[in-house]
Amino acid sequence: ETGVTQTPRHLVMGMTNKKSLKCEQHLGHNAMYWYKQSAKKPLELMFVYNFKEQTENNSVPSRFSPECPNSSHLFLHLHTLQPEDSALYLCASSQPGEPTSGITDTQYFGPGTRLTVL
Amino acid sequence: QKEVEQDPGPLSVPEGAIVSLNCTYSNSAFQYFMWYRQYSRKGPELLMYTYSSGNKEDGRFTAQVDKSSKYISLFIRDSQPSDSATYLCAASRGDKIIFGKGTRLHILP
Repeated sequence: ETGVTQTPRHLVMGMTNKKSLKCEQHLGHNAMYWYKQSAKKPLELMFVYNFKEQTENNSVPSRFSPECPNSSHLFLHLHTLQPEDSALYLCASSQPGEPTSGITDTQYFGPGTRLTVL
Repeated sequence: QKEVEQDPGPLSVPEGAIVSLNCTYSNSAFQYFMWYRQYSRKGPELLMYTYSSGNKEDGRFTAQVDKSSKYISLFIRDSQPSDSATYLCAASRGDKIIFGKGTRLHILP
C-alpha cells in the first residue's frame, strides 16, 4: 500500500463512546499531522508530530488525544465527543526540510475519516 | 480578519472555459503559497506551489502570487469535467500552513 491511509473511513459514535482513528504513512516521512475539516470552514490543524514528538497542539479539547508510537503511525483517540465534533478528520505527513533550505515541506493527505457524533 | 480568505462558491463554468480561482491573505510574512485540489470523499492533494511573488505554470494550471496586493490566483485553461473539485488555497511562513475554506468548482460538460 502506498501514500497515506486512514481507518476507518466512516465512523458513527455516541457521545459516551471511546473510539480511535488510525493513520499510516508509507512515504518515509518524519512529520505527521491531524486536521479537522468541517463544512464551510477552513482546514483546522489539530496536532503536529515531528520525529514522534508532539510539536504543536492547537488548543484542541482534551477529549481528543493523539498518539504517535513511531514515525509511520498516528492515532487519534476519541472519548466523550460532542455533536459539533462531527467532521472529516484528515491525517497528513511530510518530510521536514532543512531549517536553512527555505522550503516548506509538502504535506500529503490521507482520504480522511468521516466522523458522526450522535 | 481571517488569515486566508477564499470564496466558497460554488463556481460553475462550461467545459473549455478558463477558470480563475482567487484568495486574499492578511499576513505579510507569508512566503509560500499553495493550491490543493480535493475531490469528493478524498483528502486534499497538492496541485501547485509557489515561493514569494510571481507565476508558475504546470500544464493547464497557472498559479500567480501578487504580494503587493496579498492576492493568490489559480488559473485553469481548457477546463475539463474532471477538474470539478474543491480547490483550497494555502499560505505559510515556513512553519504551519494556513488554509482557505476552499472553492467548489463545477465544470459543466
